Order: sequence, then structure tokens, then C-alpha cells
Amino acid sequence: QQQVKQSPQSLIVQKGGISIINCAYENTAFDYFPWYQQFPGKGPALLIAIRPDVSEKKEGRFTISFNKSAKQFSLHIMDSQPGDSATYFCAASKNNNNDMRFGAGTRLTVKP
Amino acid sequence: DSGVTQTPKHLITATGQRVTLRCSPRSGDLSVYWYQQSLDQGLQFLIHYYNGEERAKGNILERFSAQQFPDLHSELNLSSLELGDSALYFCASSVGTIGGEQFFGPGTRLTVL
Repeated sequence: QQQVKQSPQSLIVQKGGISIINCAYENTAFDYFPWYQQFPGKGPALLIAIRPDVSEKKEGRFTISFNKSAKQFSLHIMDSQPGDSATYFCAASKNNNNDMRFGAGTRLTVKP
Repeated sequence: DSGVTQTPKHLITATGQRVTLRCSPRSGDLSVYWYQQSLDQGLQFLIHYYNGEERAKGNILERFSAQQFPDLHSELNLSSLELGDSALYFCASSVGTIGGEQFFGPGTRLTVL
């Protein structure tokens, strides 16, 4: 059972454009929603995370939008750069156990 | 560099064999998590240990087992290996058991021939 559904599977964006990746979850007990960035040959690294008490969180060019009623959250990358080309994973966990469930990943390519 | 170390980096073995993957968490982290990453399954949570005790199991096969030792390093044992076990295996660590950042190691690439 896939508890976190992520789309699109791949995304190509021009340099300077906005990259948008969406995730939906099923378990209403989830209360921690991170996004991880993974470069080839490396382990995933935390990019930004949100908890359901806020609807948006921004860190530099990266923004998470969170819709609790729809059980959806998304990552927006503003002014996308070729260096942002990587695979992005959304995830969700319950605060009481930190056992993470990941989306299937989105391979982002930013063309110069 | 996350501070999490994993050995070996690459492992090639044959079907039916047994292997052990090793993980050392960041200094001060008590929780260790194991994940399997394959092309068709994405990142799958396998198991979570906290301070030597098993805390949760995910999609871990019965042929797989893990443990966390008193010095907090962890080992993932994979036995009766099948071709489908070929994947990247990641270890992650965090300070405690309650929600927060997990720091991932560089992974072990297992190839079963």
C-alpha cells in the first residue's frame, strides 16, 4: 500500500522557471512532511520540511504548500537552476515514531 | 557529508548467499533506520532501531534481519539472496524517535548475480 503518492515522475524545466512537485497522503496521523533531495550516487538529504499547523513554509527558493483538508502538499522551486537537477522525494511520518514513508520520487531536469 | 557512514560501498554476490551491511550513525544519534531503494519500488522503509531496541518494522522480508549494537552501529543481514534483492540500501540516523530530520548515509549498492 503506497501511503504517499508523488507526481510527476519526471519534470523538465527551463532555467529560471518554476518547478512544482505534488504529493498526496492517506494517513491522517501523519504530522511531519519533509522533502528530500538526492543527487546521483548520494543519499537523500533533507531540503525543507513542514508540520500541519502551517499552510506554507519558505526557505530561499524552496516553498512547501500544505493543504491539510485535501491531504496534499507540494514543493515549489522558484528560479530553478541547473544545479537543482536531482531526484526529489516527498515523505511523511507520524511524530511519535519518525518512521518515514516516501513518495516514488520525481526526477527534475533544469535545462540551461 | 551527513556524518553517517556505510560499508561496503559496493557488494556483488551470487543468489543464495548471505551478506552483511554495516552502518555507523552520526555522533550522538540513537536511532538508526534502514531503507531499500530500487528502481521500481522507490525508497522503502525496512526497520528502525533506537538505542539497541527494535522500534518499528516496515516492508522487511523475513530473509532480512538487523541489529543495533551497544556502540550504536547497526548491521543489516540479508540471506538467501535473490536477484530482486539487488538495490541500494541506505542507512539513516536521527537523534531520537520523535519526528525530525533523518540523516542518510551514502548507501551500499548490492548486486546479486
